[in-house]
Amino acid sequence: EAGVAQSPRYKIIEKRQSVAFWCNPISGHATLYWYQQILGQGPKLLIQFQNNGVVDDSQLPKDRFSAERLKGVDSTLKIQPAKLEDSAVYLCASSLGFPGSNQPQHFGDGTRLSIL
Amino acid sequence: AQSVTQLDSHVSVSEGTPVLLRCNYSSSYSPSLFWYVQHPNKGLQLLLKYTSAATLVKGINGFEAEFKKSETSFHLTKPSAHMSDAAEYFCVVTSASKIIFGSGTRLSIRP
Repeated sequence: EAGVAQSPRYKIIEKRQSVAFWCNPISGHATLYWYQQILGQGPKLLIQFQNNGVVDDSQLPKDRFSAERLKGVDSTLKIQPAKLEDSAVYLCASSLGFPGSNQPQHFGDGTRLSIL
Repeated sequence: AQSVTQLDSHVSVSEGTPVLLRCNYSSSYSPSLFWYVQHPNKGLQLLLKYTSAATLVKGINGFEAEFKKSETSFHLTKPSAHMSDAAEYFCVVTSASKIIFGSGTRLSIRP
C-alpha cells in the first residue's frame, strides 16, 4: 500500500511570507493529523480531522495557521504570515480508527520549513 | 489528564548489548500505548503498540515492551543492539481522543 505522501520536502521562506503544505493520506484512512516538530523535540499535534470534520484544533495557532481537508481525503496546512519560531518539520499522519483510538498512525516524511 | 515521560533524553550502548528505553505515563482512562522510531529526515514508524491485550508486546526488529499498570510504565527493550537501531524513539499515549507524545530518547550505538 502507498504511504502518506507530503510535499514539498523542503521549503525556505522569509518571515511574514505565506506557505502551504500538502498531504495525501493512505487510501481509506478516515483520520488525518498534522504535527509540528521543532528540532530536538517530540511532535506536537496541531490539528486532527475525522473525514472532513475537525476533531481537535486546540493547539493550532489560529491567528496564523489554517488547515482544511476538503472531501475528506487530501489536506493542506497553511501559515500566513510566517514567524521565525515556525521553523520546524511539519508531519502529516493518517489512521484507520477514530482520533485517539488504538489504531496506529502512519506518518509521511514531513516538510522541513526554514524561516529566514 | 494524560502525560508521558521519557526518562532519558539520550541512551548510548555498545553493539550487541541490551537496550532499555524508559517510558512512564499517566492517564485517567484505559490508555493505548505506542512506541515509534524516527530515523534522520524521516517520518515516524510504528515499532509496537499495547491495547489492553497481552502485557508483553512484541514489535518489529526484535523490540518488545512490557505494560506494567502498577508502575505506570511501558519500557522498550531489545536483547542485542544493532548499528541500524540508532535513531530517535518516541513513547505515545492515546485515550479519549487525546494523543500525547513523549519528548523522545536518542539511541546511539557504539561499534
